[in-house]
Amino acid sequence: AQSVAQPEDQVNVAEGNPLTVKCTYSVSGNPYLFWYVQYPNRGLQFLLKYITGDNLVKGSYGFEAEFNKSQTSFHLKKPSALVSDSALYFCAVSETRNTGGFKTIFGAGTRLFVKA
Amino acid sequence: DAGITQSPRHKVTETGTPVTLRCHQTENHRYMYWYRQDPGHGLRLIHYSYGVKDTDKGEVSDGYSVSRSKTEDFLLTLESATSSQTSVYFCAISAPDRLPEQFFGPGTRLTVL
Repeated sequence: AQSVAQPEDQVNVAEGNPLTVKCTYSVSGNPYLFWYVQYPNRGLQFLLKYITGDNLVKGSYGFEAEFNKSQTSFHLKKPSALVSDSALYFCAVSETRNTGGFKTIFGAGTRLFVKA
Repeated sequence: DAGITQSPRHKVTETGTPVTLRCHQTENHRYMYWYRQDPGHGLRLIHYSYGVKDTDKGEVSDGYSVSRSKTEDFLLTLESATSSQTSVYFCAISAPDRLPEQFFGPGTRLTVL
C-alpha cells in the first residue's frame, strides 16, 4: 500500500536562507509524486510534480524538488526563502486505480515559517 | 481556483441532522473527489467519482454518501452528522491531460455541535 511521510511538523528558516521540506514515500510501482501548498483559508495549490525523467523537478514560485529513488524521497527545496513562502506544504503520491484515474495519498503536511 | 466552487463555505449544524455539501465545476472534467482535512492527518479521501453516476469509496467513507447526476456537480451528504465529522471539506477535480494532478476548490468549513 502506498504511503507518504513528512517527518517535520514545522520548519523554521530565516528569509534569504535555503529551505528544505522533507518527504519520503512508499509505493508498489512507479511513483507519481507531488507537492502542493496551502495558504490560510484556501484550497491546495499545485507546486510541482515528478512523473518521469530528470530527478530534479522545477515548479512554481522558485521551488524545486529532487526525486531520489534509492532513498524513496522527494524533498522540496528553494535556494532563498521569502516571508511569503510561509504556508502549509503537502507531499502526495499517486498510483493508478482499476477504475481508471489515480489514487492519491497525502502526507500530514509541514508548516513552513519564514522569519524576516 | 480552476473553475471549482463549493457551497456553502461555512456551516454550523447539530448532531444528528443531515448535511449536503455541493461541489460545482465549470471544466467538464471526468474525475471529482471529496477530501476532508484534519490537523495531523493531511487530506483523506472520502469518495471519488470517475463519471456521471460512477462513484467509489475512499479511505474514510463511513457516514458519508455521494451523488453525481451530472458532470459538473458532485454532492457530499452526511446522513446524520456527528461531532467527529467537524472538519474542512475540499472538493478536487482532475484534468484528463494532467492526471493525476488535482485542482482544489476553496473548501467548506463544517462544524457539528
